[in-house]
Amino acid sequence: GQQVMQIPQYQHVQEGEDFTTYCNSSTTLSNIQWYKQRPGGHPVFLIQLVKSGEVKKQKRLTFQFGEAKKNSSLHITATQTTDVGTYFCAGQGYSTLTFGKGTMLLVSP
Amino acid sequence: DAGVIQSPRHEVTEMGQEVTLRCKPISGHDYLFWYRQTMMRGLELLIYFNNNVPIDDSGMPEDRFSAKMPNASFSTLKIQPSEPRDSAVYFCASSLRQYNEQFFGPGTRLTVL
Repeated sequence: GQQVMQIPQYQHVQEGEDFTTYCNSSTTLSNIQWYKQRPGGHPVFLIQLVKSGEVKKQKRLTFQFGEAKKNSSLHITATQTTDVGTYFCAGQGYSTLTFGKGTMLLVSP
Repeated sequence: DAGVIQSPRHEVTEMGQEVTLRCKPISGHDYLFWYRQTMMRGLELLIYFNNNVPIDDSGMPEDRFSAKMPNASFSTLKIQPSEPRDSAVYFCASSLRQYNEQFFGPGTRLTVL
């Protein structure tokens, strides 16, 4: 079945440093979605990428979808303590959305 | 809209007991999903419905798990009998269309002793 791998599992940064998480799928995807889950909370949708090579920005967050539609990345510039949480990519295959295991981000002030 | 509603928020039960988790999706959403989240396995899709009809239940771990959606505004996930390894956070999510963003409920934290 479809597998979505995400790295790193965990990252601890100082406030102001950049952060990147990477997502790789075993199969070509129709789209990829990114979610954020705060500690003790539920996943919250951030963005969806559909086109090959697509790049989207949300303030300090930059999302990319690979040319082959099998990988994606999320980059946060100048992290803030409010960025703390786990970031999940979710790849949409033929029918279901498969979540990666997420990257937990800790930000120290 | 209140978003996806789940109940109970917390459930502590003893091994062998029946557990029923409840979900009310966002009105007008055609798709409803049940997920289970653990540290070891991450977020796993258990089953999803389209217009109240179960489409894919391949993620349901075993026959002890069952899910129903009797109408567009209500779904249940039942575990009978429950086991300690079922301890997890169970999320319900809904979406307008199959490939749209999913809106998650607050989850039910299940502990089976």
